[in-house]
Amino acid sequence: QQQVKQSPQSLIVQKGGISIINCAYENTAFDYFPWYQQFPGKGPALLIAIRPDVSEKKEGRFTISFNKSAKQFSLHIMDSQPGDSATYFCAASPYYGGSQGNLIFGKGTKLSVKP
Amino acid sequence: KAGVTQTPRYLIKTRGQQVTLSCSPISGHRSVSWYQQTPGQGLQFLFEYFSETQRNKGNFPGRFSGRQFSNSRSEMNVSTLELGDSALYLCASSLWGQGGDEQFFGPGTRLTVL
Repeated sequence: QQQVKQSPQSLIVQKGGISIINCAYENTAFDYFPWYQQFPGKGPALLIAIRPDVSEKKEGRFTISFNKSAKQFSLHIMDSQPGDSATYFCAASPYYGGSQGNLIFGKGTKLSVKP
Repeated sequence: KAGVTQTPRYLIKTRGQQVTLSCSPISGHRSVSWYQQTPGQGLQFLFEYFSETQRNKGNFPGRFSGRQFSNSRSEMNVSTLELGDSALYLCASSLWGQGGDEQFFGPGTRLTVL
């Protein structure tokens, strides 16, 4: 299956709180998992990405947790700020290093961080 | 370094017409991918070009086509427009288009079909 399921659809978090967005996939051929952030009127921008040979990757306030056996991965935003308010997309791509370059996206999560 | 540029940014067409969208990738990037973004279906892959050849194609009808020029610039064409083609069309470029290459997105072209 070429699907990536993302939840929740929307999320409201208080400033300083932790935002958690989850994604699940079925195709075991996926081996590159990026997260994108999109602001209104802009194209998606890469936030952080992970490969399945590690279980966690952290960059600043953003952390990806990866569970290969459950075929799930999640994005944690620590100390969420109003400037983090955006739509977040998880994605998956097969054949890391191969010729397949297209991304399969989740449906997105609209995050609102309240001051 | 200039980012991915897309022209035009906004377009209004009527059913049955055709449209051509343009994408200029980041300098040095040889792969260009196109995606359609709608509220209902989200981001869906249309096709990918590398060195002027379509290397990968998503599940869209033949009315959607594209091409890539020798300078890596790309165009996509939609013929016989339908109301359901109204969407944000995003172009993304990457160095080689390999799985794992970071894809850089442009701001998109907002197409409205009346």
